[in-house]
Amino acid sequence: DVKVTQSSRYLVKRTGEKVFLECVQDMDHENMFWYRQDPGLGLRLIYFSYDVKMKEKGDIPEGYSVSREKKERFSLILESASTNQTSMYLCASSPGTYHINEKLFFGSGTQLSVL
Amino acid sequence: TQLLEQSPQFLSIQEGENLTVYCNSSSVFSSLQWYRQEPGEGPVLLVTVVTGGEVKKLKRLTFQFGDARKDSSLHITAAQTGDTGLYLCAGAKGNTPLVFGKGTRLSVIA
Repeated sequence: DVKVTQSSRYLVKRTGEKVFLECVQDMDHENMFWYRQDPGLGLRLIYFSYDVKMKEKGDIPEGYSVSREKKERFSLILESASTNQTSMYLCASSPGTYHINEKLFFGSGTQLSVL
Repeated sequence: TQLLEQSPQFLSIQEGENLTVYCNSSSVFSSLQWYRQEPGEGPVLLVTVVTGGEVKKLKRLTFQFGDARKDSSLHITAAQTGDTGLYLCAGAKGNTPLVFGKGTRLSVIA
């Protein structure tokens, strides 16, 4: 089975801190994604990557950056955390050699609280 | 812009009842996926429908893609407590990331 692993289930940070959320997938998938999930707002795409060192902005990239130095790892960076970035963060991957919107495999999520 | 509207937003029913949730759009999608998310976990794919009018069954769950490929429904027969969760539809257009609806939160009470 495909496994998408997010490094932390819960994270508490202070306003202004630099925050790293790590995600690793073990099935050699081409595409990786970062979403945030908020009550009433659903899943919103922050960034995605279709290849090593490639990144594309999603719907809400402001305040975030990403890094994909290796195929299996996709990191989400909050340069200076703010309280409005308190959310559930979900990482996903898909095999999608030809289509980026094939079946997604999600991690279990990281609940980030910024105080 | 929310391209996929899901209804109802919340649904609470007794075990054994039937229910239908809807996923509607004014846009045409090449395919539509349904995911279920249980508390504390990420969404898991249930089914993908590709052809207009297609019906797929997964045990007590029946998924239908509209003829015009703009809408979809999920019908659950004789709901069980294990069906409790957040149901998300997601539409695929071209080679762009999936568009997700906001979800239907289902609670099945014993």
